[in-house]
Amino acid sequence: GAGVSQSPRYKVAKRGQDVALRCDPISGHVSLFWYQQALGQGPEFLTYFQNEAQLDKSGLPSDRFFAERPEGSVSTLKIQRTQQEDSAVYLCASSATKRQVSGNTIYFGEGSWLTVV
Amino acid sequence: DAKTTQPTSMDCAEGRAANLPCNHSTISGNEYVYWYRQIHSQGPQYIIHGLKNNETNEMASLIITEDRKSSTLILPHATLRDTAVYYCIGVNAGNNRKLIWGLGTSLAVNP
Repeated sequence: GAGVSQSPRYKVAKRGQDVALRCDPISGHVSLFWYQQALGQGPEFLTYFQNEAQLDKSGLPSDRFFAERPEGSVSTLKIQRTQQEDSAVYLCASSATKRQVSGNTIYFGEGSWLTVV
Repeated sequence: DAKTTQPTSMDCAEGRAANLPCNHSTISGNEYVYWYRQIHSQGPQYIIHGLKNNETNEMASLIITEDRKSSTLILPHATLRDTAVYYCIGVNAGNNRKLIWGLGTSLAVNP
């Protein structure tokens, strides 16, 4: 597709359930980012991949959060044993370059809206 | 990365210029000023960025003060579709792995 694609668009999970969120970046993009956005807040950085290498996972809030990008294209964010505080929009972004500071080369997806009940 | 402060909300009449201010008094010499916006239920959209000089593109203009402590994003002829939350972000070119987002300015363009 032309842009960053995320699925599912909406997910309702019962507390304790595991969820997997998928991101299809723009084809050929080297860098991939995951952000978490709580209601009424700005996005918060979770993790960064350069191709298949996860170079920064400092923003992952707990060991229940895990991200992978095994072939350097599609990425999956997995949340185990979901809690209510995990309810948020999870945004994926990709960039053609290795540097995030590249202005208009950073493209965001529409996000996956997770509600934990 | 520099902390930025923005007004919580602003209103603008359709067809008029929208001027969105941002204070970044602690910005360092190698930090860029980036602007994104987020329309309700959508992902963030890049608008413009600058370092020292004023910048203009098809979406907006960015005016950066000479001391770089503040900047203004200008939407020259606001439309209803410009209603969104606008984020001003200071980004260190040397530590460029993450964007640090504030709360942004909620701009309402009124008919």
